[in-house]
Amino acid sequence: EPEVTQTPSHQVTQMGQEVILRCVPISNHLYFYWYRQILGQKVEFLVSFYNNEISEKSEIFDDQFSVERPDGSNFTLKIRSTKLEDSAMYFCASSEYRGRIEAFFGQGTRLTVV
Amino acid sequence: AQKVTQAQTEISVVEKEDVTLDCVYETRDTTYYLFWYKQPPSGELVFLIRRNSFDEQNEISGRYSWNFQKSTSSFNFTITASQVVDSAVYFCALSAPTSGTYKYIFGTGTRLKVLA
Repeated sequence: EPEVTQTPSHQVTQMGQEVILRCVPISNHLYFYWYRQILGQKVEFLVSFYNNEISEKSEIFDDQFSVERPDGSNFTLKIRSTKLEDSAMYFCASSEYRGRIEAFFGQGTRLTVV
Repeated sequence: AQKVTQAQTEISVVEKEDVTLDCVYETRDTTYYLFWYKQPPSGELVFLIRRNSFDEQNEISGRYSWNFQKSTSSFNFTITASQVVDSAVYFCALSAPTSGTYKYIFGTGTRLKVLA
């Protein structure tokens, strides 16, 4: 069964460093998303991406964040200068949308900023 | 505004008991989708069910059943004869076309503990 793949599963970084979280969405999907879950809290929407551009972003998604689909398969989330409060689980998701609305989530990347 | 409320923060039951997880949603859209996801201790989000707003038929899948009631804006989830493996955090989510992107709005989750 097709699945969304995220790498790495866990990343530890020092405050102020740049991190790139990687995702390979399901191949025929058109819509891509990043969500964040701070430990013990709910899952929050960060950004959606369609047709090679951001279609919507939340208040959380400030100038420190960026997304990119550098080739036909990868979808990345970059945090330019990490803060302690960026520590969270980051989920990538993709959906086909036309006819299948449910998003398929990756297994998540746990980011720890020290 | 869109909102999902899961009022039950944590529920503990003894194995084989039935348990119902509540979900109440708010949206002005007439077309929307509701979901339940399971998050086991390993952290991934496991899709359980999708329901669209124009289909109020309840659904049963093995020990799982869902009760969708538009009149009360609720989409409750029942586990029959619970098992220890059901222990997880369960999230209800809403997706609506308001913004055009069908992003998910998640509830705060209900932590279910099934005791042997």
